[in-house]
Amino acid sequence: GNSVTQMEGPVTLSEEAFLTINCTYTATGYPSLFWYVQYPGEGLQLLLKATKADDKGSNKGFEATYRKETTSFHLEKGSVQVSDSAVYFCALSDRGTGRRALTFGSGTRLQVQP
Amino acid sequence: EPEVTQTPSHQVTQMGQEVILRCVPISNHLYFYWYRQILGQKVEFLVSFYNNEISEKSEIFDDQFSVERPDGSNFTLKIRSTKLEDSAMYFCASKDRDATGELFFGEGSRLTVL
Repeated sequence: GNSVTQMEGPVTLSEEAFLTINCTYTATGYPSLFWYVQYPGEGLQLLLKATKADDKGSNKGFEATYRKETTSFHLEKGSVQVSDSAVYFCALSDRGTGRRALTFGSGTRLQVQP
Repeated sequence: EPEVTQTPSHQVTQMGQEVILRCVPISNHLYFYWYRQILGQKVEFLVSFYNNEISEKSEIFDDQFSVERPDGSNFTLKIRSTKLEDSAMYFCASKDRDATGELFFGEGSRLTVL
């Protein structure tokens, strides 16, 4: 079955530091890949997505590249801000079935200190 | 911008009581979902709904759970007899025909079972 594995958190960084959150996946077929973000007390918001191999999703300074050869979709940001403190979820959508829609990783909490 | 809305935002109930969580998906969306997140844990799939019937359900979605789309706009999750372990944040989501599979989430309903 499909699965998503994320690095354990929490990740604690100083403002303006470089961020990487690792995500690898197992899936049949050719899934779409997503990063969702959950700010404290809020729901899940789509941060970025990539729908095929070598696509790069980007938003708000965050980037992730769909790497089929390593089955990875690592999230990066060059310079984090305090406002980026949140929980980040990697997810995949198996377009072959379309019903379950998203399988989530366990989430990685990011804490950015001033 | 269209959004998924959920009510109530927080409900406290006694063990054994029935609970109904309500969701209004985005109006032109066709696929509807419930996920849950136990505090500090991963986001778990419960059920997907399409064309007025359940498409898929997880092992969590046992006979105590049911879903309904009674009037073409609301999408409800009913828990017949709540247990302590049902305490969680419940997220509703919806999706249109887009094959990339992006889900739009509501802000969640927090259920506390005492």
